[in-house]
Amino acid sequence: GENVEQHPSTLSVQEGDSAVIKCTYSDSASNYFPWYKQELGKGPQLIIDIRSNVGEKKDQRIAVTLNKTAKHFSLHITETQPEDSAVYFCAAISSYKLIFGSGTRLLVRP
Amino acid sequence: DAGVTQSPTHLIKTRGQQVTLRCSPKSGHDTVSWYQQALGQGPQFIFQYYEEEERQRGNFPDRFSGHQFPNYSSELNVNALLLGDSALYLCASSGDRGWNTEAFFGQGTRLTVV
Repeated sequence: GENVEQHPSTLSVQEGDSAVIKCTYSDSASNYFPWYKQELGKGPQLIIDIRSNVGEKKDQRIAVTLNKTAKHFSLHITETQPEDSAVYFCAAISSYKLIFGSGTRLLVRP
Repeated sequence: DAGVTQSPTHLIKTRGQQVTLRCSPKSGHDTVSWYQQALGQGPQFIFQYYEEEERQRGNFPDRFSGHQFPNYSSELNVNALLLGDSALYLCASSGDRGWNTEAFFGQGTRLTVV
């Protein structure tokens, strides 16, 4: 069935450093890939997304890249800040539904 | 715009009971999806409603059922609750018939089954 794998499960960086989270997906028909940030006690918040006709998308300190041939996509956060600390989920859309990765807990140390 | 709103925020039920969770989608959205998120895991798709009908269903038993109303709001019903049903239940809404478009989540309902 459809599957999304996400790595690493935890990531600790110093404030100001970059963070990279990687995902792979199995359904070759997937054409939309959102990223969500989830803080404690809250629902997932959409932070950036990318569609299959685009290789890279950037929004201020956040960027996402997509390699459709390899079925890989990644989230890049530059100049990390303590408020970036949260759980991040990648997802791929498959037949209308979102298939989520298992999440990455990002800790930004001041 | 209030975004996606869910009620209640927290709920405690006893095994065997039934529960109903509610969701109001973001203004302008016509598609509602429900997800179950166990502690420390990613959300798992339960089902999706569009035009008051269930369009897609994930790998969940028939104890999980839902409904969408003409104003696009939705309910999730779970019968014969099990301890394993304890989780955060998330509602997501999207527009454009839910196809290949942004999905926005509510804050969730934390269900505890004792």
